[in-house]
This record gives sequence, C-alpha cells and structure tokens, in this order.
Amino acid sequence: DVKVTQSSRYLVKRTGEKVFLECVQDMDHENMFWYRQDPGLGLRLIYFSYDVKMKEKGDIPEGYSVSREKKERFSLILESASTNQTSMYLCASSPRPSGSSGTQYFGPGTRLLVL
Amino acid sequence: AQRVTQPEKLLSVFKGAPVELKCNYSYSGSPELFWYVQYSRQRLQLLLRHISRESIKGFTADLNKGETSFHLKKPFAQEEDSAMYYCALKKGSGAGSYQLTFGKGTKLSVIP
Repeated sequence: DVKVTQSSRYLVKRTGEKVFLECVQDMDHENMFWYRQDPGLGLRLIYFSYDVKMKEKGDIPEGYSVSREKKERFSLILESASTNQTSMYLCASSPRPSGSSGTQYFGPGTRLLVL
Repeated sequence: AQRVTQPEKLLSVFKGAPVELKCNYSYSGSPELFWYVQYSRQRLQLLLRHISRESIKGFTADLNKGETSFHLKKPFAQEEDSAMYYCALKKGSGAGSYQLTFGKGTKLSVIP
C-alpha cells in the first residue's frame, strides 16, 4: 500500500522559531513535493525535488527552504516562522517517468499554527 | 504559464440530482488533466485522469480541448460525494512535466 507520512499532524510554533516539517515515503518515488493548502486558494506548490539533493522552487518559495538528503525523506524548513505561514502543509510524492501517470500520493497533512 | 480555473467555490445539490463541477484550463501544449478529491478528515487522493477515460464512483470527466474544459459529472449525487474537489493539470511532456498545477477547489455539498 502506498504510504506518505508526515511527522506531525498539528504543530504550534511562535513567531521567529525555526520549524522543520518532515515527510517520508516508502514507495521509492523520485519526485517529492511540498504544498500549502489554504481555503479559497487551493494547493500552492512551495518546493519540489526530483532526485536526492536536487530541489526546485515552486510558486511560493519565499520564507521556506527544503532538504532532501535521502530519497525517501523530504523536509520543509521555515527559517523564521511568521504568522502568515499558518496553514495546512501537504507533502506528496510521485514516480518517474512522469509520462506513466500524473498521480501524486499525498500525506495526511500538517496543520501549522504560528502565534 | 498554465492555469486551472474552478469557478465555483461551493456547490450544493440535492441527493439524486445531477452534479457538474466545472474546470477550465489554459495551456498552450497538450496537457493531462486530473481530478483529485479530499473527503472530510482524509488525505487528498486521485479521483480520475482524463487519459484513462474511466468512471470512478460514478464520476466521469471528458477533456474538451476546444473549450479547454474538463468538467466532472455524475448523474445522481450521493451524500458520500460531499467533499472538496480539485482539478489539476500536468504538462504533457518536457521540463516540469511531473508538476501539477491545481485549481482553487470546489466544495461539493450533497443535501439529503
């Protein structure tokens, strides 16, 4: 069974804290993604990675960074959390080659509240 | 740049009534289109892909390249269809073809 897990379901942090969100997939997928999901705005891509140590900016990378040291793990880092980063964060993975399907497999999400 | 538009934030229908969730896209190449669904307290999951031409849970969607649309339809809504639906576009090939561009979503509410 396809599995994408995220380290926390809920997080509460204070403004200025450094925040780490972890995502692990057990499907040997090459591609991994971080989105934020906000009401009325849908899913917006923050960063993605198509291989170990490779990363590409998505549509809204400002204030975020990522790390992919191992194929199965993709971390999202908020260097200095701000209140406007309060959101639901979704991790996803997909296999390569991309032509086989566009299916992305999603984790359960991490709801982050920044006070 | 590609874009996906879902004009309705919220759609309410009665049980047994037909459902149509609208999706329009803009992309100059040959896209692949998808519908993803998120039920309450569940993770986002793929519902169907245009390339498969399949019917899932009674839902179908036809890609209309002339109208650049990919509307999701079901003839008779069920209460369990209540969920958030996202339309998504993938570039057919080339750089970035593993990325999806999502619409803002439509919340479907089926009234008993």
